[in-house]
Amino acid sequence: NAGVTQTPKFQVLKTGQSMTLQCAQDMNHNSMYWYRQDPGMGLRLIYYSASEGTTDKGEVPNGYNVSRLNKREFSLRLESAAPSQTSVYFCASSGQGHTEAFFGQGTRLTVV
Amino acid sequence: GQQLNQSPQSMFIQEGEDVSMNCTSSSIFNTWLWYKQDPGEGPVLLIALYKAGELTSNGRLTAQFGITRKDSFLNISASIPSDVGIYFCAGLLRAGNNRKLIWGLGTSLAVNP
Repeated sequence: NAGVTQTPKFQVLKTGQSMTLQCAQDMNHNSMYWYRQDPGMGLRLIYYSASEGTTDKGEVPNGYNVSRLNKREFSLRLESAAPSQTSVYFCASSGQGHTEAFFGQGTRLTVV
Repeated sequence: GQQLNQSPQSMFIQEGEDVSMNCTSSSIFNTWLWYKQDPGEGPVLLIALYKAGELTSNGRLTAQFGITRKDSFLNISASIPSDVGIYFCAGLLRAGNNRKLIWGLGTSLAVNP
């Protein structure tokens, strides 16, 4: 019953460093998403992948890149981290478009 | 862009009380979803609503898809301490093959034992 698994759970980066957040789902879902959650801002969509081989920008894509490696895995990359990217990042997946998304436990990222 | 107005922003209640929260929008939605987020965890789906007027229960939770398709509410009856968390609504917009999930900003619930 793994569902959606994100790694790492916590990360501290220095400004300018790069890193990749990993996400994998074992529910055979077609669609996968990356959100960020900030106090008072709710959940904001960064990028999504409607199916293997496709990716699209969400509401706040600047400063991020994504890769849909295969049906199971969807990674989020920060090429040059900035303090404004300090946030909690959630990966999610769903079987049919944007409905009934299942979330991972989150990655708490701090950029200093 | 589209927005969901979720209210109240926060609630502090006594154990055993009933709770009601709602989401409204100027847009028409095809699906309404209600999630709960526990501290340090990701959101977990509570109830999904697919038809206008639909009333669905999940234990002590009841949610309704508004007749106008522009609103939804969630009720929690006889609250208990483990109901503490942030509750989010989300509405699905469909335009052709495009689908977009719009999120409310959440209702933070605190329960006093």
